[in-house]
Amino acid sequence: NAGVTQTPKFRILKIGQSMTLQCTQDMNHNYMYWYRQDPGMGLKLIYYSVGAGITDKGEVPNGYNVSRSTTEDFPLRLELAAPSQTSVYFCASSYIEGATFGSGTRLTVV
Amino acid sequence: TQLLEQSPQFLSIQEGENLTVYCNSSSVFSSLQWYRQEPGEGPVLLVTVVTGGEVKKLKRLTFQFGDARKDSSLHITAAQPGDTGLYLCAGESYDKVIFGPGTSLSVIP
Repeated sequence: NAGVTQTPKFRILKIGQSMTLQCTQDMNHNYMYWYRQDPGMGLKLIYYSVGAGITDKGEVPNGYNVSRSTTEDFPLRLELAAPSQTSVYFCASSYIEGATFGSGTRLTVV
Repeated sequence: TQLLEQSPQFLSIQEGENLTVYCNSSSVFSSLQWYRQEPGEGPVLLVTVVTGGEVKKLKRLTFQFGDARKDSSLHITAAQPGDTGLYLCAGESYDKVIFGPGTSLSVIP
């Protein structure tokens, strides 16, 4: 099994540009999450989803949007990128206890 | 706002020593998870504790969930260099899973 796959692995954006971070899982998990991790810090929850068609805000949702049209996919959209959004983004999925994480997308906004 | 605190923030010990990492909150969680993260990689789940007072063992690692389900501890016996990494606790409440800031552990050979 591939688990949780995130693309791209690295990206440099200019201020004001937009992009979509892709996340797909092949474990048929209902729950999916997006986190950001700044250097030397823990993870902050951006958005989460408990199933297809259902999304909700986490701790730091401003500047981001998500959709969940299928069980497998949970893309994260950045509109009007800002330097404060420079971070490593992790997608995760879970079924009952504990989450499986992707390998992350390292995003730099210049 | 739910917050998880971890202590210590940094820990550097010699191989063979024992250590305990703490995770505390003022909020009650339905479960608490521990993860280990290595540089450049995503966190990897170590254990989930669900019942207040629950103790789980994973080889040299012992995890305990507080009776009130607000805190947890991770105890490592005879630490090895391979235990080096960032240890993160995460609490689940109403479908949200939030993380603490982590404890960075360095085990010196």
